[in-house]
Amino acid sequence: EAGVVQSPRYKIIEKKQPVAFWCNPISGHNTLYWYRQNLGQGPELLIRYENEEAVDDSQLPKDRFSAERLKGVDSTLKIQPAELGDSAVYLCASSASDFQETQYFGPGTRLLVL
Amino acid sequence: GNSVTQMEGPVTLSEEAFLTINCTYTATGYPSLFWYVQYPGEGLQLLLKATKADDKGSNKGFEATYRKETTSFHLEKGSVQVSDSAVYFCALIPNQAGTALIFGKGTTLSVSS
Repeated sequence: EAGVVQSPRYKIIEKKQPVAFWCNPISGHNTLYWYRQNLGQGPELLIRYENEEAVDDSQLPKDRFSAERLKGVDSTLKIQPAELGDSAVYLCASSASDFQETQYFGPGTRLLVL
Repeated sequence: GNSVTQMEGPVTLSEEAFLTINCTYTATGYPSLFWYVQYPGEGLQLLLKATKADDKGSNKGFEATYRKETTSFHLEKGSVQVSDSAVYFCALIPNQAGTALIFGKGTTLSVSS
């Protein structure tokens, strides 16, 4: 069974530029999560989807971040414009259902904003 | 609020040494508890979990027991290997539907031969 796929693995951009990350969850997983992991810290939730509905986006900085999960499968996370403080690893995870099910993580996208 | 506190790293051990990584939590109700591991260059992987008090999670020689009285979930292994070198994260999910993992800051383990 294929795991969670993310692309790109690395991205370097200038500040104020836009950037997008893509995630393909494990087949059949209804719940999808985007986390951000700052250097030396644990991951923190940005947004959680149940199928195509964003059910928890309270931690998403909505002035510059947006996300979508069309058709309840793949998801894209976008930052526009990027700031220096957005440099981090962006992790996508999926689970079969929402309530305390095991979450499976992708390898992450490492973003560096210069 | 809900939070997880892990011991500061890095932890440096010789092969076959005993490992303990401390983890304590703050949560309302009865959370589920997890240990995730991140090997160099790889994504986070679930190592073990426990969903109720006194449960013991185990995998690959690692163990952790859910202690509600001390709000702890310490990770142990009797004999570490070089291949165990990684970053270990303690995490919880509050016992309510529709919530994500809350992680500690992670503890780096380095095992030398």
